[in-house]
Amino acid sequence: EAQVTQNPRYLITVTGKKLTVTCSQNMNHEYMSWYRQDPGLGLRQIYYSMNVEVTDKGDVPEGYKVSRKEKRNFPLILESPSPNQTSLYFCASSLKGEGYGYTFGSGTRLTVV
Amino acid sequence: SQQGEEDPQALSIQEGENATMNCSYKTSINNLQWYRQNSGRGLVHLILIRSNEREKHSGRLRVTLDTSKKSSSLLITASRAADTASYFCATPSNTGKLIFGQGTTLQVKP
Repeated sequence: EAQVTQNPRYLITVTGKKLTVTCSQNMNHEYMSWYRQDPGLGLRQIYYSMNVEVTDKGDVPEGYKVSRKEKRNFPLILESPSPNQTSLYFCASSLKGEGYGYTFGSGTRLTVV
Repeated sequence: SQQGEEDPQALSIQEGENATMNCSYKTSINNLQWYRQNSGRGLVHLILIRSNEREKHSGRLRVTLDTSKKSSSLLITASRAADTASYFCATPSNTGKLIFGQGTTLQVKP
């Protein structure tokens, strides 16, 4: 089944403890991206990658890192999480980006205390 | 950043009725996409309409696009309780970033 797989689904962590949210797609998509969704603020892009080894900042990159060493994987790294990073996170992929539909993962609900 | 407005913000109908949602956007576009999100879950791609298309159908979904008015509408015919969800329009920027509307929350009562 074509899909984007995110893990974990739920995560509660403490301030400052490094964490990684994994994202993997099995569709050979070139474009991958991370969003966060917050009440009243909607969906905002954190980082995106147009292909392997090519990443760039979205609208809200502060406090996050990403890497794209392989085409299928695009992990989101929070080096020192803070409570304002409590949010619902989504990974998404698309064949080539702009002209194509996007497949979203099921989401990761992160709580930083 | 939000692309524009979706109207209405909330819609409640009976099963079997049609549901229409509208979306406006601000900039010129290559295409416009509609997504569905069940509560707290991931977004599901419903349909993509390109800027040179005026209407597109997929099952019970009908999407129209009016580039002169910078607006789109999504019609769900013969709605079912399972259609209860939030619906978002989105337009991609030239970096591939999806710019979402604020969404319409649809409730379909059995």
